[in-house]
Amino acid sequence: EVQLVESGGGLVQPGGSLRLSCAASGFTFSNYPMTWVRQAPGKGLEWISGVSGSGSGIFYAASVKGRYTISRDNSKNTLYLQMNGLRVEDTAVYYCAKPLRSTWSPGFDSWGQGTLVTVSS
Amino acid sequence: QSVLTQPPSASGTPGQRVTISCSGSSSNIGRNSVNWYQQFPGTAPKLLIYSNNQRPSGVPDRFSGSNSGTSASLAISGLQSDDEADYYCAAWDDTLSGQGVFGGGTKLTVL
Repeated sequence: EVQLVESGGGLVQPGGSLRLSCAASGFTFSNYPMTWVRQAPGKGLEWISGVSGSGSGIFYAASVKGRYTISRDNSKNTLYLQMNGLRVEDTAVYYCAKPLRSTWSPGFDSWGQGTLVTVSS
Repeated sequence: QSVLTQPPSASGTPGQRVTISCSGSSSNIGRNSVNWYQQFPGTAPKLLIYSNNQRPSGVPDRFSGSNSGTSASLAISGLQSDDEADYYCAAWDDTLSGQGVFGGGTKLTVL
């Protein structure tokens, strides 16, 4: 059974940093690109960053480019999201997601439980 | 402002067929496949449709997807009360270096 477990969320002041982790199990982690998706309170889903199975291919949404860094450690089956320069509008539940097929198409059949990031003074 | 445009709300009565539209452009739906999600409050989204019209294992055939040009649709037939949820479309967008994009979501109410 595929499991994705996020951690690292919390309360941080504007301008601060956080590092999210997503521990994966139940599938061959290195075979799949992995993605972070967020959802602000009461709002819709927002794709924010993806990394290829090898880690060499990386994409970011314009809203986080230059502030967030996605990475993965295939030896630990773990996905990361380093978030710097956090803004109030980054407040959201952050999900890691695995695609059903090993493509960039955002068809995610497995999601973590989400971790809440709150940016507030 | 979402790259993919969905109506904010839709409604139907039990047993009815409803459709939810998703409008995009040549850089996303026009050249890449569409996926659809169902989400209940406080829970992670569930994949309903992938590759335009394919259902993952376990998704009832009451749910179907189609697309034409730069638009896509999700159809739900035999509407049930527990279909009341938020629905999102998603696709890859080839603008600039590429990224995934979601629609703004449609709140489906079963009357």
